[in-house]
Amino acid sequence: DQQVKQNSPSLSVQEGRISILNCDYTNSMFDYFLWYKKYPAEGPTFLISISSIKDKNEDGRFTVFLNKSAKHLSLHIVPSQPGDSAVYFCAASVNSGAGSYQLTFGKGTKLSVIP
Amino acid sequence: KAGVTQTPRYLIKTRGQQVTLSCSPISGHRSVSWYQQTPGQGLQFLFEYFSETQRNKGNFPGRFSGRQFSNSRSEMNVSTLELGDSALYLCASSLRSGAGELFFGEGSRLTVL
Repeated sequence: DQQVKQNSPSLSVQEGRISILNCDYTNSMFDYFLWYKKYPAEGPTFLISISSIKDKNEDGRFTVFLNKSAKHLSLHIVPSQPGDSAVYFCAASVNSGAGSYQLTFGKGTKLSVIP
Repeated sequence: KAGVTQTPRYLIKTRGQQVTLSCSPISGHRSVSWYQQTPGQGLQFLFEYFSETQRNKGNFPGRFSGRQFSNSRSEMNVSTLELGDSALYLCASSLRSGAGELFFGEGSRLTVL
């Protein structure tokens, strides 16, 4: 059972336009959500996060929105740049007890920004 | 500050063999997590170590094991390799267990023939 779902395997956007990447989750115990970006032959790098007590977090061109009632989050990139072309992973975490945790990842969305 | 270092970067094994992968976390980071990435399943959590103790374990068979040393370096071992174990194995470190942001290494690409 996949607890974090990224239903769009790929997305193409024109340079300068908005990119919207979506993520749905099923586990209501998730209390922290993150987005990671991954280039080929590199490990994922942290992009932005949001706590379940917030509904929006912004960092430069990147904004993450959280809709807890819908169990949905989205990442907005404005304006999109060719260097944003990468695979984006949505991840969620829940405190597993004794301060430990594990991240549950979606399968990723490949974003292509067309010049 | 050096990032997370994983060795070896690439390796090829045959079915039935065993493999050990190594991870050196960022200096000062005491938590090390391991993930398996495959095209069909995305990133799946294997286990997390903090201060030499396994804090959490994913849903993988007992053939997958790990350990952490006093200097926070970690190893993971896979015994009796199967074709389905072919994957990119990613190590990630963080300052403390329970923190959200992980810093990933570039991974060890394992191919099982």
